Amino acid sequence: RKEVEQDPGPFNVPEGATVAFNCTYSNSASQSFFWYRQDCRKEPKLLMSVYSSGNEDGRFTAQLNRASQYISLLIRDSKLSDSATYLCVAHNYGQNFVFGPGTRLSVLP
Amino acid sequence: GAGVSQSPSNKVTEKGKDVELRCDPISGHTALYWYRQSLGQGLEFLIYFQGNSAPDKSGLPSDRFSAERTGGSVSTLTIQRTQQEDSAVYLCASSLVDGSNQPQHFGDGTRLSIL
Repeated sequence: RKEVEQDPGPFNVPEGATVAFNCTYSNSASQSFFWYRQDCRKEPKLLMSVYSSGNEDGRFTAQLNRASQYISLLIRDSKLSDSATYLCVAHNYGQNFVFGPGTRLSVLP
Repeated sequence: GAGVSQSPSNKVTEKGKDVELRCDPISGHTALYWYRQSLGQGLEFLIYFQGNSAPDKSGLPSDRFSAERTGGSVSTLTIQRTQQEDSAVYLCASSLVDGSNQPQHFGDGTRLSIL
């Protein structure tokens, strides 16, 4: 079993749709969590950190449930430019950042 | 300010040759990470440095792979006797400290092609 697992996707949604990605992690000692996006043939870029209380950044909302070891990302009012692969990341201090396999999103006109 | 810098951007070499990839992290970042990514695949962790020491080398795929970091800054990843399966994008990332909610920042990567 992978340490970080994500919805396999791909997700194909129309512009303006709301889409949610799920992620689970197996290491209960993980302390920090992030969502990155990766465009085709580009490096991953930080989208947002995930805080225990949940956090929002514009159209993006991230949630963390430590008891269930579950992280989510909600994108509202999808734009064409949101098309990318979304990577869920768990980190335990003193250890590596563990990336999930990613979920591919295509926003269609 | 300057981000993570990797060189070369692209490297094409013949099977059996040695290659050296360089990563210059963001100034002041103490943690440095190497990953590789094959086309259409996820990130594969290779090695992690905290300062000049490597607490986690678990991802290095074989003894042909080695990495070092000197002066707590620049790191080099060396692949000896390259094989075709080594072809991938090699990504370097750095983070400020190994602490609360400090994310990684990635360089543009080195695209390695073994002929």
